[in-house]
Amino acid sequence: QKEVEQDPGPLSVPEGAIVSLNCTYSNSAFQYFMWYRQYSRKGPELLMYTYSSGNKEDGRFTAQVDKSSKYISLFIRDSQPSDSATYLCAMTREGGTSYGKLTFGQGTILTVHP
Amino acid sequence: GAVVSQHPSRVICKSGTSVKIECRSLDFQATTMFWYRQFPKQSLMLMATSNEGSKATYEQGVEKDKFLINHASLTLSTLTVTSAHPEDSSFYICSANPGTGYQPQHFGDGTRLSIL
Repeated sequence: QKEVEQDPGPLSVPEGAIVSLNCTYSNSAFQYFMWYRQYSRKGPELLMYTYSSGNKEDGRFTAQVDKSSKYISLFIRDSQPSDSATYLCAMTREGGTSYGKLTFGQGTILTVHP
Repeated sequence: GAVVSQHPSRVICKSGTSVKIECRSLDFQATTMFWYRQFPKQSLMLMATSNEGSKATYEQGVEKDKFLINHASLTLSTLTVTSAHPEDSSFYICSANPGTGYQPQHFGDGTRLSIL
């Protein structure tokens, strides 16, 4: 079993829809949780960053972390065709020899059609 | 802020050639940089952690002599793929942590390497 599980999709939604992306994980030591967006042939771009449990909102994006369930989510409101990309969840533990090393989900391919 | 620049973006070369890829932090100092490899439709696979002024730490299964990493300054790390073969063809991406304490990694735009 992988440490981080993410549904690879693909996910196709109409413009304006609310998109929900999710990851589950097994390592309770993870404390930092990130969402990255990756366009084709480009490096990942940081979207959201959360420490421990809670919600964080930035424009059309909302990140949620539920450590008790080992479950994180990214919501995209009023989705746009420009949101079409691969979305990667990533997480890391606090301290220890693995400090700073990211564990990624498989990535979800999202297409928003006009 | 927190811009990571990677060069070149695309390399096509013959088998047996050595290829150097540069990763620069443009507006911050990075004591640690990371090198990843990504195959089509797959997630990123960490190859090594590059530490300024010391030896890189390689992940299990990554050949140190094949993938040479040098982190000579706080803004530059290089990855050299030595005697490259077609199976080394891939998308290589670097990242760096800005600031002190934990900060999320910021990524370069990757280098697409094709070995003929």
